[in-house]
Amino acid sequence: KAGVTQTPRYLIKTRGQQVTLSCSPISGHRSVSWYQQTPGQGLQFLFEYFSETQRNKGNFPGRFSGRQFSNSRSEMNVSTLELGDSALYLCASSEGQAGNQPQHFGDGTRLSIL
Amino acid sequence: GDSVTQMEGPVTLSEEAFLTINCTYTATGYPSLFWYVQYPGEGLQLLLKATKADDKGSNKGFEATYRKETTSFHLEKGSVQVSDSAVYFCALNNNDMRFGAGTRLTVKP
Repeated sequence: KAGVTQTPRYLIKTRGQQVTLSCSPISGHRSVSWYQQTPGQGLQFLFEYFSETQRNKGNFPGRFSGRQFSNSRSEMNVSTLELGDSALYLCASSEGQAGNQPQHFGDGTRLSIL
Repeated sequence: GDSVTQMEGPVTLSEEAFLTINCTYTATGYPSLFWYVQYPGEGLQLLLKATKADDKGSNKGFEATYRKETTSFHLEKGSVQVSDSAVYFCALNNNDMRFGAGTRLTVKP
């Protein structure tokens, strides 16, 4: 069974641009969550999608948005990029809603803002 | 809100030494507790979990017991190997995931 796949692995952008990151969950998993990982702030929850609906949202500005498609694949979009958005963005999937179920993580997309 | 606090690193041990990484949590209700491990250049991998009080999660020689009375979930391993060098994250799930800051472990031969 293929794991969680995130594309691209690496991305370089400049301030003010926008970016879209993609995540394909494990087959059969309907919940996809996104996290931002930085050395200073650690792992921070961005949002969770379940059956194409945003179920939960962390404390990030509206520049961060996401969506989920009918095949459970998810995309995350960041607009008007800032230097502080440089981070490793991790996607995780689980079979059901992220309650007490463990999540399976992808290897992440490393985003660098110049 | 819910939160996880784990011991700051880095932790450096010699091979075959005993490992303890402390983790305490604050949460309402009855969260599930997890330990994840992150190897360089990779995402997080689930190491072990416990879903209710007094449950013991174990995997690859690592163990952690869900202690509700002390709100703790300390990670232990009796004899670490060089291959255990990684960053370890304690986490809870109580409607959404909250992670600790991570503890970097380096095991020297």
